[in-house]
Amino acid sequence: DAMVIQNPRYQVTQFGKPVTLSCSQTLNHNVMYWYQQKSSQAPKLLFHYYDKDFNNEADTPDNFQSRRPNTSFCFLDIRSPGLGDAAMYLCATSLPTGDLETQYFGPGTRLLVL
Amino acid sequence: AQSVTQLGSHVSVSEGALVLLRCNYSSSVPPYLFWYVQYPNQGLQLLLKYTSAATLVKGINGFEAEFKKSETSFHLTKPSAHMSDAAEYFCAVRDTGRRALTFGSGTRLQVQP
Repeated sequence: DAMVIQNPRYQVTQFGKPVTLSCSQTLNHNVMYWYQQKSSQAPKLLFHYYDKDFNNEADTPDNFQSRRPNTSFCFLDIRSPGLGDAAMYLCATSLPTGDLETQYFGPGTRLLVL
Repeated sequence: AQSVTQLGSHVSVSEGALVLLRCNYSSSVPPYLFWYVQYPNQGLQLLLKYTSAATLVKGINGFEAEFKKSETSFHLTKPSAHMSDAAEYFCAVRDTGRRALTFGSGTRLQVQP
């Protein structure tokens, strides 16, 4: 089945130690997104790629970076994680189809910062 | 920017009872509206979406939502709740010409036996 895959499902890191979260997709969608979802809150968009075109949300901290080496993969890099960065990180993809464009989500990676 | 408001952070119903989860949007221009469901420690799954083709939208798992422009609402309903419906439900809006989704704060649905 075509899908959005996130690895690992759970990631533990230390305060200040760089960490990378991975997302891959078999849907061949042009657009990939990263959302942050803190406990009991709504997902919040950090940034997205349209092909290789990177689009950062205005309030995304500089501590968060992203890479998309090819259509299938997208990475979220947190340069110096703080305790406040503990959250579920959701990857999503979409195919630009105008009105019908829909985002498909992966299962998420839960990040714990010690 | 558009926003959505979900009334009721927690809703509890009995198994077999009607499910009604409320969502109101902020714009005078009908946006694109979505309902997603999130089970514990899972990603978001699309239930249904409104894109102006029809005001009554049917989704998966027996859910449907009705777009009411006069009330700026897009409430989610299911005639008969099942235990497996227990989850967090998010209403989301996408502005015309933008890709980003803006989510409501979510409603946690509990289904009592």
